[in-house]
Order: sequence, then structure tokens, then C-alpha cells
Amino acid sequence: DGGITQSPKYLFRKEGQNVTLSCEQNLNHDAMYWYRQDPGQGLRLIYYSQIVNDFQKGDIAEGYSVSREKKESFPLTVTSAQKNPTAFYLCASKGSTPHSGANVLTFGAGSRLTVL
Amino acid sequence: QKEVEQNSGPLSVPEGAIASLNCTYSDRGSQSFFWYRQYSGKSPELIMSIYSNGDKEDGRFTAQLNKASQYVSLLIRDSQPSDSATYLCALLSGGYQKVTFGIGTKLQVIP
Repeated sequence: DGGITQSPKYLFRKEGQNVTLSCEQNLNHDAMYWYRQDPGQGLRLIYYSQIVNDFQKGDIAEGYSVSREKKESFPLTVTSAQKNPTAFYLCASKGSTPHSGANVLTFGAGSRLTVL
Repeated sequence: QKEVEQNSGPLSVPEGAIASLNCTYSDRGSQSFFWYRQYSGKSPELIMSIYSNGDKEDGRFTAQLNKASQYVSLLIRDSQPSDSATYLCALLSGGYQKVTFGIGTKLQVIP
């Protein structure tokens, strides 16, 4: 069953610690995206990648880093430089799916990060 | 000016009525447009995509795109309480295929 898997679902972090959120897809999509969502807000783009070993900064990249060593994987690291990291993080891949039949974003279930 | 603008709502409609959701955008080079639905605490789900001017219908949903006026809308006919959610407008632009979302409109369908 194709899809996107994000882990962990919930994560607690102490201030000053880096954390890495995992995103894996088996949809054979080339493009992958990371978004952040705060309560009552829309999705803000952090980083995105169209192909392996290449990625672009989104609108709020400061304090985050990514890598794209494999087509299936696009992990996001929230560094200690991110001043307000508590948020809901969503990973997506872009391509066709049996359901949509079009070049659209498919999302994982999300990771909820809380800084203590 | 924000890249994608939506009224945050809430938009309240009675059950069985037509809900009209609107979105305007600033980048004339935008290529593709999407409507997603998001229930509280969940991830967004695709409702429709639209790429060319005009209307596109899928069941109770109709997406409308007007590139000259830079707006895209979503009509939901025969609204049901289960349609109560936040509706996110998104667009794809640029050579690197950036996908930008609006703030979302919260829809409440009153039984």
C-alpha cells in the first residue's frame, strides 16, 4: 500500500536540542516537501526537493536543515537555532497516485513537535 | 501581498446549501491550483486540482479558475455536516515546483 510515513508522530524536545523528523515515501515520487503548521494557520513551506541531492529553501528555512540522499527519504532536522519550533510538521510528496491520477501533493500523517 | 489569500472564516452555511470558498493569488506564472480539505488535527486531503481556466466538477465539488482575475474558487453543493473542515487553497509555481498554501477557510455546516 503506497504512501508517506512520518515518524515519530509525537516528539518532545528540550530547548537547545536538535531533533530529526523522518519522512519516507514508497510512491516513487521525485518531489518532496516539508511544511510547518501552527494553530489556526495555513501551511508554511520549509524546504522542498525535486530530485535526489538537490533541495531549495522555502519561505521559513531558517533554523532547519534537510538532506535528500535517497529518492524515498527526506528527513528534516529542527536545529537549536529555530527559536519557536513547537508546531505540527507535515511532509508531502508530489506526483500521480491511483486515486488522484494527477500531479498533486500527498501528505503524511504529520509529526507534532513540542519544546519543553 | 501574500502569495495566496483566503478569508479565514468561519464560513457558516446550513445543511443542503451551497458553500462558496474563494482564493486569490499574486503570481501570474502559477501553473496549477489545488483545493485541500483538512480536519482538525489531521493532514490535508486533496479535493480537486485545476489547471486551465473554467470549471471542473467532481461530484458535489466544482472548482473554478480565472487566471486573468487571479482567483480560484471551490463550490460545495448540498453541503453536509461532514464537510465541516478547513479548506486550503494551494498553487504550484516556478521551475522548482514550489507549492504555496493559503491560510485556509474554516467551513461550518449547520444541521
